[in-house]
Amino acid sequence: QVQLQESGPGLVKPSQTLSLTCKVSGDSISRGDDYWTWIRQPPGKGLEWIGYIYHNGSPYYNPSLQSRLVMSVDTSKNQFSLRLTSVTAADTAVYYCARAAFDAGAYFFDSWGQGIPVTVSS
Amino acid sequence: QAVVTQPSSLSASPGASASLTCTLRSDLSVGSFRIFWYQQKPRSPPQFLLRHKSDSDEQRGSGVPSRFSGSKDASANAGILLISGLQSEDEADYHCVIWHTNTWVFGGGTKLTVL
Repeated sequence: QVQLQESGPGLVKPSQTLSLTCKVSGDSISRGDDYWTWIRQPPGKGLEWIGYIYHNGSPYYNPSLQSRLVMSVDTSKNQFSLRLTSVTAADTAVYYCARAAFDAGAYFFDSWGQGIPVTVSS
Repeated sequence: QAVVTQPSSLSASPGASASLTCTLRSDLSVGSFRIFWYQQKPRSPPQFLLRHKSDSDEQRGSGVPSRFSGSKDASANAGILLISGLQSEDEADYHCVIWHTNTWVFGGGTKLTVL
């Protein structure tokens, strides 16, 4: 069974860069087929898809975040990462990494990390 | 107008049924989309419940009871999550999501209270 675990700082200052990593176990990112995804949830609000990255490093970002976002994958460590620049208080959220797996004609988020809360504050 | 809209809250009694709606923007036809539903309990990540495109194209997640089912209301341009025989453990947030123009778009989520 695949497991995902987010890591990174819980507090980031405004205008700085948020960096998070998701370690994957029980599945190989290199296996292909899956999209490795970041999703966030501001306090008391709904979910927002941030972007995904494929095993070959090809990313696809939410257009609303694209100008500040870089995602990468390290297949040797079986993990993928997110960097979000120029953060503001609006970026305060619980950040989840998830696997989008393909099944019966569609991708869906079948496995999630526990989430890591990130606060943007000076 | 948001791409996907969900009512912020819904209350229902134990044993009753609850219909949670996921309304698409008017320029999008609900018949063309698979609607994915996730359940989220406090301090936990969302869990996949089911996906529904049509009566013949529906799949529940592993271990999800048959009390949970999907449907569509074309007149309302909405996907529906129907929960029958409500139990206290069904009290949670429910999120719908669609795949649209190469992005996943979530609704704002519905908080279901069972009381």
